[in-house]
Amino acid sequence: GQNIDQPTEMTATEGAIVQINCTYQTSGFNGLFWYQQHAGEAPTFLSYNVLDGLEEKGRFSSFLSRSKGYSYLLLKELQMKDSASYLCAPMDSNYQLIWGAGTKLIIKP
Amino acid sequence: SQTIHQWPATLVQPVGSPLSLECTVEGTSNPNLYWYRQAAGRGLQLLFYSVGIGQISSEVPQNLSASRPQDRQFILSSKKLLLSDSGFYLCAWSEKREPYEQYFGPGTRLTVT
Repeated sequence: GQNIDQPTEMTATEGAIVQINCTYQTSGFNGLFWYQQHAGEAPTFLSYNVLDGLEEKGRFSSFLSRSKGYSYLLLKELQMKDSASYLCAPMDSNYQLIWGAGTKLIIKP
Repeated sequence: SQTIHQWPATLVQPVGSPLSLECTVEGTSNPNLYWYRQAAGRGLQLLFYSVGIGQISSEVPQNLSASRPQDRQFILSSKKLLLSDSGFYLCAWSEKREPYEQYFGPGTRLTVT
């Protein structure tokens, strides 16, 4: 079957760094996406990894290890506006995104 | 640039009433289109996707249906709503090329009473 595993909730302090881990099992693999979703809003695209390694985009970085079925999203210099849910979504062999429940990140001053 | 519109933003409907949610995309042609539902505190559930006019794939058997009458228009319908149809409905689009990232509309929050 297809499965996504992320922590349900994490708490971090403004200005700090946080790493959100994701492990996955899919039928085939065509890359992995990270989305940010603020409460009551639609998800917005953050990053995409298809090869092993780190992709950096400003304060956000995403890492992928295909052999381990593992990815993480790294957020630096946390700001209060980063309080949101972060969704890890691998793409299967049919190019469909597989969604978990996401990780709710709470930023404290 | 591309934009995606969804309406209405919120909807309260009684059980047994019909439903029609509309989604349109601007600034692109021949996109892939998707309907998702998100229950409170849950992940996104793919309901339907479409690769072209009149081409609809259903992922979850239920009392909902979808149609794509025009290239950039995607409609979600029901003849009789159930209480379990309540949720946050999201329309998304993607290009037909890798990496196929999906971009979401603002969503419709449906409450069935």
